[in-house]
This record gives sequence, structure tokens and C-alpha cells, in this order.
Amino acid sequence: GNSVTQMEGPVTLSEEAFLTINCTYTATGYPSLFWYVQYPGEGLQLLLKATKADDKGSNKGFEATYRKETTSFHLEKGSVQVSDSAVYFCALRDNAGNMLTFGGGTRLMVKP
Amino acid sequence: EAGVAQSPRYKIIEKRQSVAFWCNPISGHATLYWYQQILGQGPKLLIQFQNNGVVDDSQLPKDRFSAERLKGVDSTLKIQPAKLEDSAVYLCASSLSLYEQYFGPGTRLTVT
Repeated sequence: GNSVTQMEGPVTLSEEAFLTINCTYTATGYPSLFWYVQYPGEGLQLLLKATKADDKGSNKGFEATYRKETTSFHLEKGSVQVSDSAVYFCALRDNAGNMLTFGGGTRLMVKP
Repeated sequence: EAGVAQSPRYKIIEKRQSVAFWCNPISGHATLYWYQQILGQGPKLLIQFQNNGVVDDSQLPKDRFSAERLKGVDSTLKIQPAKLEDSAVYLCASSLSLYEQYFGPGTRLTVT
């Protein structure tokens, strides 16, 4: 079956540091890949997505590239802010339907 | 545009009691999802509706969980009887397109 593995947190960074959160997946075919963010006390929000190999999703300074050869979709940001503190979830959607399979989430804490 | 609404936001019950959660999706969204998010894990799909029909309920523990979406708009998820391991956040999401699901704030259930 489908599965998503992401690095365990918490990840603690200082403001303006470079961020990488690793995500790898197992799926048949060519899934679509997503990053969702969950700010404290709020629901999940779609951060970015990529629907085919080599696509790069980007939003709010975050980027992730769909790498089929390494089955990865790592999240990066060049300079994090305190307001980026949240839990980040990597997810995939296979082409059979609209079911999302999520990773376990990575908590990011950014200190001033 | 109003988001996905859920109620209650918090619920505490004793094991073997019953509980119900309510979700009102974004207007016009035909597809509705219920997820279970256990602390420290990613959300897991319980059931997916397309209008008032069930698309996928393969991960719904049908001996104790039930869900309905009678008029193809709002939905209720019920647990009867509850077990300690049902303690989790129950997320409702809705979608118009195949790619983006919009999540509500969730209902945090504690079973004692």
C-alpha cells in the first residue's frame, strides 16, 4: 500500500536559518504530492503541491521538488521566520481516487 | 468564503459512551472526508462521501463508527460505544477539485 515517511521532529531553528524537512514515499504509479501545514489551534492548510515528476511546488518561500528517482519530496525554505512555527505534513494522493495518505508530521519551532 | 465548520471543538466522554460530531463543508463541495488524527501521527482517512454516497469506508471501524451525509451537504460521524483508543482529533475536509482538500479545525475527543 501507499506510505509516507518524514523526518521526526521537533526541528528547532533560529530565525533566518535554512530549513529542510525530508519526505519519502512509497506508491504505485505516479502519485501527486503535497505539503500541508498545521498552525497551533488551526486546521490543516495546503502549503504546496506537485503533480508530476520534476515539478516544483512553491508557496510563501517554501519549495519542494517531486523527485521520482529518489521517491522524495523534501520541503525547503531559505530563511525561516518565527511565524513558520507549525507542524508540517507530507502527503500523497494516488491516481485511483482522492484519498490522501499522510506522513506522521514534523514539528518546526523557530526561535527569535 | 466560509471554511469547513465542525462542532463541537472539544468533547470529553467516558468509555462505552456514545458521541457524535458534526461537519458542514464549504458550499458547493460535493466531496466530504472524515479523518482521525491520533496525537503525534498524521491524519488517517475514515470515510469519503461523494454527495450523499460513500466512496471509500475501508478504514472505518464499522462495529462502532458510523457516518452519514443524508442530504449531500452536512455530515455526522458517530462513535458507539467509545473506547480509550478513540481519543484523537477528528478532522472533516471537503473538496471541489481532485487536488485540494480544505480542512476544518477538528474536534478533539478525549475518552476517559
